[in-house]
Amino acid sequence: GDSVTQMEGPVTLSEEAFLTINCTYTATGYPSLFWYVQYPGEGLQLLLKATKADDKGSNKGFEATYRKETTSFHLEKGSVQVSDSAVYFCALRRMDSSYKLIFGSGTRLLVRP
Amino acid sequence: DTEVTQTPKHLVMGMTNKKSLKCEQHMGHRAMYWYKQKAKKPPELMFVYSYEKLSINESVPSRFSPECPNSSLLNLHLHALQPEDSALYLCASSHFEGGRGYEQYFGPGTRLTVT
Repeated sequence: GDSVTQMEGPVTLSEEAFLTINCTYTATGYPSLFWYVQYPGEGLQLLLKATKADDKGSNKGFEATYRKETTSFHLEKGSVQVSDSAVYFCALRRMDSSYKLIFGSGTRLLVRP
Repeated sequence: DTEVTQTPKHLVMGMTNKKSLKCEQHMGHRAMYWYKQKAKKPPELMFVYSYEKLSINESVPSRFSPECPNSSLLNLHLHALQPEDSALYLCASSHFEGGRGYEQYFGPGTRLTVT
């Protein structure tokens, strides 16, 4: 079945470090891919999305590129801030699925001053 | 405006109580969702409404009863819950066209504790 695999956390970085959170997926066809962020005590916020191969989603300094050949959608940011500390979820929606988001297990990011 | 609001923010209820969670969006979305999220886990889909009709019930126990009074509102009625139902309950909404949903926007959630 369809699935999303994320790197285990927590990922601990110093402020201004480079961030990569790996995400790979298994799905038939061309799913849409998403990154959501969940700050402590809050709901999920859509961070960025990509709907076809080679699309790059970007928002608030975060970027992710839809790589069909490696079935990956890795999240990157050039310089993290303490305020980026949160849990990041990678998710996919199949083309033939009207509604269902399939989430990865989430990766907790801790950024130290 | 991409805001989904949920009330209450926190709820504590006994196993014999009846309570309701409320969700509202004014983005013109015609699909609305209820999710349950346990600590350190991703959200799990419970129900989906499209055009105010229940489209998906992910085999949720009948002690959870959803209701969609209009295109902007979504309720979740709770009755005779168990302590293991304690979780963060998230509402989401999305556009829905051509039989397909688009990116989902989530509310802040209701933190439910069942005692």
